[in-house]
Amino acid sequence: EPEVTQTPSHQVTQMGQEVILRCVPISNHLYFYWYRQILGQKVEFLVSFYNNEISEKSEIFDDQFSVERPDGSNFTLKIRSTKLEDSAMYFCASRTSGGAETQYFGPGTRLLVL
Amino acid sequence: QKEVEQNSGPLSVPEGAIASLNCTYSDRGSQSFFWYRQYSGKSPELIMFIYSNGDKEDGRFTAQLNKASQYVSLLIRDSQPSDSATYLCAVNGAAGGTSYGKLTFGQGTILTVHP
Repeated sequence: EPEVTQTPSHQVTQMGQEVILRCVPISNHLYFYWYRQILGQKVEFLVSFYNNEISEKSEIFDDQFSVERPDGSNFTLKIRSTKLEDSAMYFCASRTSGGAETQYFGPGTRLLVL
Repeated sequence: QKEVEQNSGPLSVPEGAIASLNCTYSDRGSQSFFWYRQYSGKSPELIMFIYSNGDKEDGRFTAQLNKASQYVSLLIRDSQPSDSATYLCAVNGAAGGTSYGKLTFGQGTILTVHP
């Protein structure tokens, strides 16, 4: 069964450093999402992406964040200058077009900013 | 601010019992509703979705939706210890609206099924 994959599974970085989180959505899916979950808190929407552009972004997704689909398979989230409060689990999700709205989540990347 | 509210629990039920999980949402225009299960340290895993008022059954799981009351629930019959997890209610924004496609999650209900 096709799955969303994410790399790395864990990342530790120093405050102020740039990180890139990578995702490979399910191959026939057209809509892509990033969510994050701070430990003990709810899953929060960051950004949605369709047709090579951002569809919607949340207040969390400020100028320090960017997304890109550099090729036909990868979908990346970049944090330019990490802060302590960026420490969280980051989930990529994807869905197909049409009436099926179900989003399938990847296993996540646990980011720790020191 | 569109909100999704769940009782955080924990909800503890004996093995074999029915577990009932509830969720309310504030955006009256929301059209699709999802239940995800999340084990500690893992990603949300879809259990089922529901679009129409009424009940939808899938195996031991039944989702119930009442749009007039802005209420969605999940029943788990014959609960097993392996069902112990956090259950997340997620709501999709109204079709055609700016939030369409974006899932808003509740804080989750912790379910413990004890033998």
